[in-house]
Amino acid sequence: NAGVTQTPKFQVLKTGQSMTLQCAQDMNHEYMSWYRQDPGMGLRLIHYSVGAGITDQGEVPNGYNVSRSTTEDFPLRLLSAAPSQTSVYFCASSSTVAYGYTFGSGTRLTVV
Amino acid sequence: AQKITQTQPGMFVQEKEAVTLDCTYDTSDPSYGLFWYKQPSSGEMIFLIYQGSYDQQNATEGRYSLNFQKARKSANLVISASQLGDSAMYFCAMRPSGYALNFGKGTSLLVTP
Repeated sequence: NAGVTQTPKFQVLKTGQSMTLQCAQDMNHEYMSWYRQDPGMGLRLIHYSVGAGITDQGEVPNGYNVSRSTTEDFPLRLLSAAPSQTSVYFCASSSTVAYGYTFGSGTRLTVV
Repeated sequence: AQKITQTQPGMFVQEKEAVTLDCTYDTSDPSYGLFWYKQPSSGEMIFLIYQGSYDQQNATEGRYSLNFQKARKSANLVISASQLGDSAMYFCAMRPSGYALNFGKGTSLLVTP
């Protein structure tokens, strides 16, 4: 089925480790975003992209890197994991401004 | 900066009754979109309804309607004839032209029999 695929679904990291959260969509969407969800905080924007080769920072970008080399993929890199990055991460994509984003199923990350 | 405010952390409604979830927003952009998402306990984000800033009529999608009051900068979600399956977190979000969504903190809705 078409949609947004996030991997892994669950991950435990040790403080200081690095990792990449994968996000892929097969709907040829131009817009892609990464969010983190913490209890009582809603979803906060980390980074977003309006097309291949174009990325920008959101509300909480520190400690995260992104790149968009293809339309389909938008990986999120944690450079040196910290316990404060324990969260649920959502990737989302959209074709136009007039429609909502389609979300992946999320990655639950725990940093110990 | 754009800001979305949902002032109701939790709401209760009886089955078959209507409920309104409040959302106010703040933006200086003339063109923007307003969205509501549902997040059940399983965790997925489900798109419910969209309202464009230039739309003259309020959006409706089945039992969902969006009460859009542009001058007051409010975009309340109305759920008619509530069902037990409507129990979930509901997020209001705004999208400035061409960019990503900004979310409110959400409202937890519990539908009781």
